Amino acid sequence: QLQLQESGPGLVKPSETLSLTCTVSGGSFSTSKFYWGWIRQPPGKGLEWIGSVFYNGNTFYNPSLKSRVTISLHTSRNQFSLRLSSVTAADTAIYYCAREVVEWGQGTLVTVSS
Amino acid sequence: DIVLTQTPISSPVTLGQPASISCRSSQSLVHSDGNTYLSWLQQRPGQPPRLLIYKVSTRFSGVPDRFSGSGAGTDFTLKISRVEAEDVGVYYCTQATHLLTFGGGTKVEIK
Repeated sequence: QLQLQESGPGLVKPSETLSLTCTVSGGSFSTSKFYWGWIRQPPGKGLEWIGSVFYNGNTFYNPSLKSRVTISLHTSRNQFSLRLSSVTAADTAIYYCAREVVEWGQGTLVTVSS
Repeated sequence: DIVLTQTPISSPVTLGQPASISCRSSQSLVHSDGNTYLSWLQQRPGQPPRLLIYKVSTRFSGVPDRFSGSGAGTDFTLKISRVEAEDVGVYYCTQATHLLTFGGGTKVEIK
């Protein structure tokens, strides 16, 4: 069964870049034509799609975040990553990685604060 | 951008009674390939979301048959035939026809 695990700093300073990695186990990017994505959830609020990367490396981003987001696939390591630049307190959230909306990681809380 | 509007925001339900959640899209969710990529997720307190229903009405593996989805075009419904205690949580509709968006969520709680 596919498992996803987010990793990265839990605290980021304002104006800096948030970087997270999702490690996928129990499956392979190279043999599956899926898309892999990042979704976030501010504390006590709803879900917001950040962006997705397809198995072939093509990316699609939420228009409201597009100027600050980069999602990359690292096939040899069975990982994909998220970079969100120029963060503010509004970017404080639980960040989930997911295979489409089918399988989800447990999420990691990232707080933006000085 | 596609906006998904869920109603109600909160749904207090008696155990064993049905519950129904509506999701309305600002645009048709019929993809050019003929499929409608509307799914329903359940998020229990402190847990990541869990897929319940995909392509409007197909239950995901392991999902109890008391959950059902229906609808077409821009109007969709999730029904729970008999609510159980483990069904407490927030339910989201989500569409993947045009990028990806989520509804605002509906909180199901026991009266």
